Amino acid sequence: QKEVEQNSGPLSVPEGAIASLNCTYSDRVSQSFFWYRQYSGKSPELIMSIYSNGDKEDGRFTAQLNKASQYVSLLIRDSQPSDSATYLCAVTQAAGNKLTFGGGTRVLVKP
Amino acid sequence: GAVVSQHPSWVICKSGTSVKIECRSLDFQATTMFWYRQFPKQSLMLMATSNEGSKATYEQGVEKDKFLINHASLTLSTLTVTSAHPEDSSFYICSAPRNHQETQYFGPGTRLLVL
Repeated sequence: QKEVEQNSGPLSVPEGAIASLNCTYSDRVSQSFFWYRQYSGKSPELIMSIYSNGDKEDGRFTAQLNKASQYVSLLIRDSQPSDSATYLCAVTQAAGNKLTFGGGTRVLVKP
Repeated sequence: GAVVSQHPSWVICKSGTSVKIECRSLDFQATTMFWYRQFPKQSLMLMATSNEGSKATYEQGVEKDKFLINHASLTLSTLTVTSAHPEDSSFYICSAPRNHQETQYFGPGTRLLVL
């Protein structure tokens, strides 16, 4: 079983719709959770970080964490074609520790 | 702006040669840096953790004699791919946590092509 799992997609959403991405993790001691966006041929860029249960909103992005269910999600509201990318879920056990990545979910936003 | 840089961004080399990739933290000190490798259509795989002043920690299956890591200063880590072969062709990316925070910042990556 992979430590961090994501649906590979592609997740196709029409422009203006909500894209919902899911991620599950196996290590219960995980403390910090991140969503990165990666465009083709580029390195990952941080979208959101979340450390406690509940929702965290930043602009059009909302991250949700449920440690009991070992589940973290990312919602992208008002999806734009520029949101088309691969979204990587990453988990770490403590500050400064190595990140464990999921396989990524490819998102396609169609105009 | 960018907080972690990598050099070079692209490198093409002949099989059997060695290639050095630099990773620099631009406005902060990084006692730890991480090196990842990404093959096409795959996720990032951690290769090793670079520790300033001590030996690197390699992930299982990564040959430490082939991928030499030197954390020369608090702002510089280098990865040397020794005796490169075509199967080493990949996208190499470094990252560093800023000021011991949880957030890690990624360099722009180095694309290696071994002919």
